[in-house]
Amino acid sequence: KNEVEQSPQNLTAQEGEFITINCSYSVGISALHWLQQHPGGGIVSLFMLSSGKKKHGRLIATINIQEKHSSLHITASHPRDSAVYICAAWDTDKLIFGTGTRLQVFP
Amino acid sequence: NAGVTQTPKFQVLKTGQSMTLQCAQDMNHNSMYWYRQDPGMGLRLIYYSASEGTTDKGEVPNGYNVSRLNKREFSLRLESAAPSQTSVYFCASSQLTEAFFGQGTRLTVV
Repeated sequence: KNEVEQSPQNLTAQEGEFITINCSYSVGISALHWLQQHPGGGIVSLFMLSSGKKKHGRLIATINIQEKHSSLHITASHPRDSAVYICAAWDTDKLIFGTGTRLQVFP
Repeated sequence: NAGVTQTPKFQVLKTGQSMTLQCAQDMNHNSMYWYRQDPGMGLRLIYYSASEGTTDKGEVPNGYNVSRLNKREFSLRLESAAPSQTSVYFCASSQLTEAFFGQGTRLTVV
């Protein structure tokens, strides 16, 4: 069983839809990252969360430490949001990654 | 520009050949990491270095060696490449809970 699990693995949406990606972890963590990776591209950190909620533009990330669960929401999705979204949990001094959620947003 | 620089971006090796992947960061971070990314497996930690002069094995260290040359540089060496090492490799650095990633190295072993 992975220490960090994401769902769904694949997600397709029509432009404008509200999207939610979930992440559950079993390790004790100090913080959690949501990362974005475009096809053939590098990895960019979207959010780093240790509690509560953060918002950046159309992206919202929440974390519930007690339930060991985090969600990434995209409002008014757009084709340029198509990418792989990865959650990663800090376990002491190293990052443990989920396997990623591949999102495709169609016009 | 500040960040993590990885070289090369692409490499093709024959089975048994050796090579070193280079990584440098200019953010004065203590911790550096090497990950590999394979389809359906996510990113898996190969080795990491919590500070200059120290290295530790991650989840998949077999077939690799690392060297933390100084605070800036952390290299990954394949002594005898195998087809199973075909992957995309990412270097990362971190301080506290911030993390930055290199652009990746696409390695193919034939």
